[in-house]
Amino acid sequence: KAGVTQTPRYLIKTRGQQVTLSCSPISGHRSVSWYQQTPGQGLQFLFEYFSETQRNKGNFPGRFSGRQFSNSRSEMNVSTLELGDSALYLCASSSWTGGDYGYTFGSGTRLTVV
Amino acid sequence: GNSVTQMEGPVTLSEEAFLTINCTYTATGYPSLFWYVQYPGEGLQLLLKATKADDKGSNKGFEATYRKETTSFHLEKGSVQVSDSAVYFCALSDRGDKLIFGTGTRLQVFP
Repeated sequence: KAGVTQTPRYLIKTRGQQVTLSCSPISGHRSVSWYQQTPGQGLQFLFEYFSETQRNKGNFPGRFSGRQFSNSRSEMNVSTLELGDSALYLCASSSWTGGDYGYTFGSGTRLTVV
Repeated sequence: GNSVTQMEGPVTLSEEAFLTINCTYTATGYPSLFWYVQYPGEGLQLLLKATKADDKGSNKGFEATYRKETTSFHLEKGSVQVSDSAVYFCALSDRGDKLIFGTGTRLQVFP
């Protein structure tokens, strides 16, 4: 079955702009979570959506937001971009199967803010 | 709160050498433990996982055992290959909550 699809793969934006990233989870998975990866801070949890509701949120400013649609696809938005927002943004699709939680990651969107 | 500590890298080995990457965790509950691998320019791939104490996860010659008494989940491989060169992340998840990652360990294998 198809994996987790993130679009676009690469993005270059200017400070002050906003950006929207997209994630299509594995078919049947209802949970989507987002992570930011930077050389300095490593992998940090942004937020998780389950059945269109934000279920968990990391410690990021309000400029970072997300949503999930009825087909489980998710988008995250970053407004008023700062240079420090340059990172690899990873989406994970997950499901609870047989008493175990499985997470599958997409290839990520590399955002560069100039 | 929950946390994961990994050994600093890079780890540099010759092909066919034995690999150990140490990982210890702090958790209030009974988390599931994971090892993920990241190749250059790619996302994270699940390498192996264990969901309860004394479970051993294994995949592609890599192994890790969930040790509750030492709160550890060390990654091992008996004979590494050049193609194993990547960054390895240890992670935990408490009852399906978010993944908490270690800082990652870069492995470089030379022929």
